[in-house]
Amino acid sequence: GIQVEQSPPDLILQEGANSTLRCNFSDSVNNLQWFHQNPWGQLINLFYIPSGTKQNGRLSATTVATERYSLLYISSSQTTDSGVYFCAVKAAGNKLTFGGGTRVLVKP
Amino acid sequence: DTAVSQTPKYLVTQMGNDKSIKCEQNLGHDTMYWYKQDSKKFLKIMFSYNNKELIINETVPNRFSPKSPDKAHLNLHINSLELGDSAVYFCASSLFRDTEAFFGQGTRLTVV
Repeated sequence: GIQVEQSPPDLILQEGANSTLRCNFSDSVNNLQWFHQNPWGQLINLFYIPSGTKQNGRLSATTVATERYSLLYISSSQTTDSGVYFCAVKAAGNKLTFGGGTRVLVKP
Repeated sequence: DTAVSQTPKYLVTQMGNDKSIKCEQNLGHDTMYWYKQDSKKFLKIMFSYNNKELIINETVPNRFSPKSPDKAHLNLHINSLELGDSAVYFCASSLFRDTEAFFGQGTRLTVV
């Protein structure tokens, strides 16, 4: 099956800093999503981005499908950005496969 | 209104018991899923239903049995619970197979 690797596994930021999270996948995909799992365990949809670039406030994402990677940018980080960020992809078939996540801690 | 809702949110039970988790979505989606998140936060699909038909059944012990009475509901029944079943179980739904999936708030199952 498709492999999804996220980097870095852990990230500690000072409030106000910018950062980039990366998601590499091993095969062509029909669907790519970024999620934020907050400290209460909720999985929040950030982006549905099988290709191209999208922005939502301080967050933006870019997927280069031909090169099999996606990037999530966090600008001017806030303590509420803490949590785990997941990339998930669907190749052929119906299975959304998750990466291992990037654990982000934003310190005040 | 909650789009994908699961009940209960927390479930603590003894080994050997049988329990069910319910999931309902009001998004008009036709595909629903169960995912399991282990203690290391890794998320893995267990089952997927499309219009009440099972389309994905990963290598899950047959003690786990999903049931979809209609396309808005997908329940998960677990027989003879074991310690290793302790995890967070997420329900999700999407409209068609390759579109954006939305997740419920999760059910934290603890088997003692």
